[in-house]
Amino acid sequence: GENVEQHPSTLSVQEGDSAVIKCTYSDSASNYFPWYKQELGKRPQLIIDIRSNVGEKKDQRIAVTLNKTAKHFSLHITETQPEDSAVYFCAASKALNRDDKIIFGKGTRLHILP
Amino acid sequence: TAGITQAPTSQILAAGRSMTLRCTQDMRHNAMYWYRQDLGLGLRLIHYSNTAGTTGKGEVPDGYSVSRANTDDFPLTLASAVPSQTSVYFCASRGDSSYNEQFFGPGTRLTVL
Repeated sequence: GENVEQHPSTLSVQEGDSAVIKCTYSDSASNYFPWYKQELGKRPQLIIDIRSNVGEKKDQRIAVTLNKTAKHFSLHITETQPEDSAVYFCAASKALNRDDKIIFGKGTRLHILP
Repeated sequence: TAGITQAPTSQILAAGRSMTLRCTQDMRHNAMYWYRQDLGLGLRLIHYSNTAGTTGKGEVPDGYSVSRANTDDFPLTLASAVPSQTSVYFCASRGDSSYNEQFFGPGTRLTVL
């Protein structure tokens, strides 16, 4: 089955700097890669996703890139702000298979330093 | 719209006791999931249901059971709780269309003593 590895487990960046979180997946048939943000004491919420037919997607200060050949994808946050402090989860699934489940990485705790 | 709700919010349970965590969604999603979240281990899938009347085992199913009598409800039962089941439990649901977002409930914090 699918296995998703996520690095680093903890990341501290100065406010205003960029943060990058990297994930790899094992199943070449996976074609949908969502990213979830979980603030302290809250539920995980989808912030951005990418499908396998595109290499990059942006939404304001966040962007995701996908390299299907290498089977890795990354989350980029630019101009980080205090509200970006949270745990971020990457995930992978075969979206066109209704019975397939989303497999999550173990998460990255991002600290934005003042 | 309530979305997806869980009850209770938190619970302290004596080891050996049984407990049912409740999960209800009003989005008419066919797929529902139970995860446990432990520090450093991310979100681990316990059980899932692709549609009412069917269930399946996830990554860590031992000690847990589920049922799916209808579309809206997906309760998780611990028959005889053990301290290692201390965790935060999240229920989630997902729509049928391709690339659909998975929505999470607010979570239940369970402590087994």
